[in-house]
Amino acid sequence: DVKVTQSSRYLVKRTGEKVFLECVQDMDHENMFWYRQDPGLGLRLIYFSYDVKMKEKGDIPEGYSVSREKKERFSLILESASTNQTSMYLCASSFPGDPRTGELFFGEGSRLTVL
Amino acid sequence: GESVGLHLPTLSVQEGDNSIINCAYSNSASDYFIWYKQESGKGPQFIIDIRSNMDKRQGQRVTVLLNKTVKHLSLQIAATQPGDSAVYFCAEIQGGYQKVTFGTGTKLQVIP
Repeated sequence: DVKVTQSSRYLVKRTGEKVFLECVQDMDHENMFWYRQDPGLGLRLIYFSYDVKMKEKGDIPEGYSVSREKKERFSLILESASTNQTSMYLCASSFPGDPRTGELFFGEGSRLTVL
Repeated sequence: GESVGLHLPTLSVQEGDNSIINCAYSNSASDYFIWYKQESGKGPQFIIDIRSNMDKRQGQRVTVLLNKTVKHLSLQIAATQPGDSAVYFCAEIQGGYQKVTFGTGTKLQVIP
């Protein structure tokens, strides 16, 4: 069974705090993604990575950074959390060359509240 | 002041009836489409996909229809069951590198 694990299901942080969201996949996938999900806005891509130490900005990278030191792990970092970063964060992975070309495997999500 | 949240469109269906969920996509260059199902408290899960050179694809109890003329995608669920209650959203994929755009989703409520 494919597995994408997000370390924290629920977090509450204060404005200005540094926040780490961790994601680990056990499928040997090259591609990993961080999305945020907000009501009425759907999923929006923050950052993605297609190889170790590689990262690409998505549609809404401002206020976020990422780290991919190992193939299986992709971390999302909020350097200084703000209230408008309160959201559900979803990590996903995929394998390039998958004949279905595009299926994403998602984690369960991390709900972050910034006070 | 009070804030008003954005609400998902909701489709309520009697158990055993068929459900049709619609999605309008934005880019005529999109060449691959996926429907995802997201149950409460869980991440999205793949249901069915379709390539742009097809207009229909069937799975187990689900059918996806693609109308490229009007950039419209639909998901049909036969004999809807309580376990089908979830948010469903479409995704369109363009080009070679996993450029994925997600729809905002439709909430399906199955009435027992």
